[in-house]
Amino acid sequence: AQSVTQLDSQVPVFEEAPVELRCNYSSSVSVYLFWYVQYPNQGLQLLLKYLSGSTLVKGINGFEAEFNKSQTSFHLRKPSVHISDTAEYFCAVNTGGFKTIFGAGTRLFVKA
Amino acid sequence: ETGVTQSPTHLIKTRGQQVTLRCSSQSGHNTVSWYQQALGQGPQFIFQYYREEENGRGNFPPRFSGLQFPNYSSELNVNALELDDSALYLCASSLGFTGSDYGYTFGSGTRLTVV
Repeated sequence: AQSVTQLDSQVPVFEEAPVELRCNYSSSVSVYLFWYVQYPNQGLQLLLKYLSGSTLVKGINGFEAEFNKSQTSFHLRKPSVHISDTAEYFCAVNTGGFKTIFGAGTRLFVKA
Repeated sequence: ETGVTQSPTHLIKTRGQQVTLRCSSQSGHNTVSWYQQALGQGPQFIFQYYREEENGRGNFPPRFSGLQFPNYSSELNVNALELDDSALYLCASSLGFTGSDYGYTFGSGTRLTVV
C-alpha cells in the first residue's frame, strides 16, 4: 500500500528566504507525485506534478520539486517566499489507480 | 474553463439525518472524485465516478453513496449522519478512467457540521 509522510507539520520562514517542504512516500510500484496548495477556506490547487521524465519539476508561483527515487522523496522548494505563500501544502501520490493518497499537510507561515 | 463548483458552502445537520452535497465538474472532465478532509488532516478518498459508474472506493461505509449525471455533475449522499462525519467535503474533477495522470481540479468544498 502507498503512503505519504510530510516530515514537518509547520514551517515558519521569513519573507524572501528560501524554503523546503519535505515529503517522503512509500510504494512498491511506479508513482505519480503531486503537490497541492490550500489557502484558508478554499479547496486544493495543483502546484506541480511528476509523471515521468526529468526529475526536476517546475510549477506555478515559482515552486519546484525534485523526484528522488532512491530516497523515495519529492521535496518542494522555493528560492524566495512571499507573504502570500502562507498556506497549507499537501504532497500526494498515485500509482495509476483510482485513489490519490495525501499527506497530512505542512503549514507554511511566512513572516514579514 | 468554469472550474469546479460545490454547493452548499456550509451545512449544519443533526446526528442521524441525511445530507446531499452537490458538485459541478470542470467543463470537459468526465471523472469526479469525492474526498473527506477532517480538521487538520489531508483529504481522504471516498469514491470516484467515471461516466456515471462508481469505479473506485475508499474505506468508507455504504451509507456514503454518490451519483454522477450525464452532464458530469455529481452528488454525495450521506445517510445516518454521525458526529465524526463533520468535515470539509471536496469534489475533484479530472480526465480519464482513473483520473490520475493530470491531477485534480478541486472545488472549494462543503463544510459539514454534525451536531
